[in-house]
Amino acid sequence: GNSVTQMEGPVTLSEEAFLTINCTYTATGYPSLFWYVQYPGEGLQLLLKATKADDKGSNKGFEATYRKETTSFHLEKGSVQVSDSAVYFCAAYNNNDMRFGAGTRLTVKP
Amino acid sequence: DSGVTQTPKHLITATGQRVTLRCSPRSGDLSVYWYQQSLDQGLQFLIQYYNGEERAKGNILERFSAQQFPDLHSELNLSSLELGDSALYFCASSGSPGGRDGELFFGEGSRLTVL
Repeated sequence: GNSVTQMEGPVTLSEEAFLTINCTYTATGYPSLFWYVQYPGEGLQLLLKATKADDKGSNKGFEATYRKETTSFHLEKGSVQVSDSAVYFCAAYNNNDMRFGAGTRLTVKP
Repeated sequence: DSGVTQTPKHLITATGQRVTLRCSPRSGDLSVYWYQQSLDQGLQFLIQYYNGEERAKGNILERFSAQQFPDLHSELNLSSLELGDSALYFCASSGSPGGRDGELFFGEGSRLTVL
């Protein structure tokens, strides 16, 4: 089945800093790739996705590009805000099998 | 609102007891996933059902069991509870016709505390 490895946290940044959270995957074939976000006290919700190589998913200023050659889907944001503080999960979906990374907790300080 | 409903939201019980967590998926979704989230283990996949049939099994203990009923709601049964079972249990659903392939919709979770 699929597996996902993402950068361990926690990550603490100042407001307006640049964010990168690394994610790599192993899978049979070409999975769809996702970033989910979990705000405090809530369930996970989809942040962005990409379904094929070289696709770029984007939402709320976050971006991630599906890199087949490096089997990666790194999450980036150019200028984080305090409201971005949350846990971020990378996930891979293939053949009805959805797997999540361990999650990376991001704290953004004013 | 994701459309996925989980009950109860909070549950406190004692070691050795048994509890049942319930999940109603989004209307039309055929797949239900159960996940356990604890502080030290992250998000652990437990089990998946698709249209009433078990589809995939993850790190689910033998003391735990689940099922999906004909109306597509699902229940997760946790028995002989231990302190280490204290966690947030999430249900997610997917598979609406025409829905985005692979996207999961999560409930708000059931927080279980075992004392």
